[in-house]
Amino acid sequence: GNSVTQMEGPVTLSEEAFLTINCTYTATGYPSLFWYVQYPGEGLQLLLKATKADDKGSNKGFEATYRKETTSFHLEKGSVQVSDSAVYFCALKQGAQKLVFGQGTRLTINP
Amino acid sequence: DAGVIQSPRHEVTEMGQEVTLRCKPISGHNSLFWYRQTMMRGLELLIYFNNNVPIDDSGMPEDRFSAKMPNASFSTLKIQPSEPRDSAVYFCASSLVAYRGAGEQYFGPGTRLTVT
Repeated sequence: GNSVTQMEGPVTLSEEAFLTINCTYTATGYPSLFWYVQYPGEGLQLLLKATKADDKGSNKGFEATYRKETTSFHLEKGSVQVSDSAVYFCALKQGAQKLVFGQGTRLTINP
Repeated sequence: DAGVIQSPRHEVTEMGQEVTLRCKPISGHNSLFWYRQTMMRGLELLIYFNNNVPIDDSGMPEDRFSAKMPNASFSTLKIQPSEPRDSAVYFCASSLVAYRGAGEQYFGPGTRLTVT
C-alpha cells in the first residue's frame, strides 16, 4: 500500500540556518504530495503541495520539489526563524483516496 | 470562511462516561475525516465520510467508538464508555474531494480529551 517515510526528529537549528526535512514515499501511479505544518496547540495546516512530477510547491519561504525518480518530496527553507518551530508532516493522496501521513518531524529553532 | 469548527475545545471526563465530540465542516466540502493524535501513536485516521456516507472506518479502535454524519454540515464522534487510554487530541478535517485534483484537507483546532 501507499506509505510515507519522514526524517526522524526532533530537529533543532539556530535561527537563519538552512533547513531540510527528508520525505520519501511509496505509491503506485502518480500521487499528489503535501507538506502540512502543526503549530503548538493547533490543528494541521496545509503548507504546500505538488500534484505532478517536477512540480515545485512553495509557501512562506518553504519549498519542496516532487521527484518521481527518487520518490521524494524534501522540504527546504533557506533561512529559518523561531516562528517556524512546529511539527511538519509529509503526506500523499492518490485519486479520491484518503491522505496518508508520515509520522511527523518536530522542528525547534533557537534564537 | 469560518473554517472547520469543533466543540468542545477541551473535555475532561471520568472513566466510564459517554463523550461526544462535534464537528462542523467547511460549507461546500463533501468529505469529512476524524483523526486522533497522541504522543505515542502520532496522527491516526479513525474514520472518513464522503457525501455523509462512512467510507472507511478501519481506524476506529473498537466498538466503544462510533461516528455519525446526519447531514453535510455536522458530524459527531462518540465514545462510550470512555477509558483513560482514550485521552488524546481529536481532530476533524474536511475537504472537497474530486477524483482528479489534490483535495487538500482543512483541519479544525481539535478537541483535547482527558479521561481520568
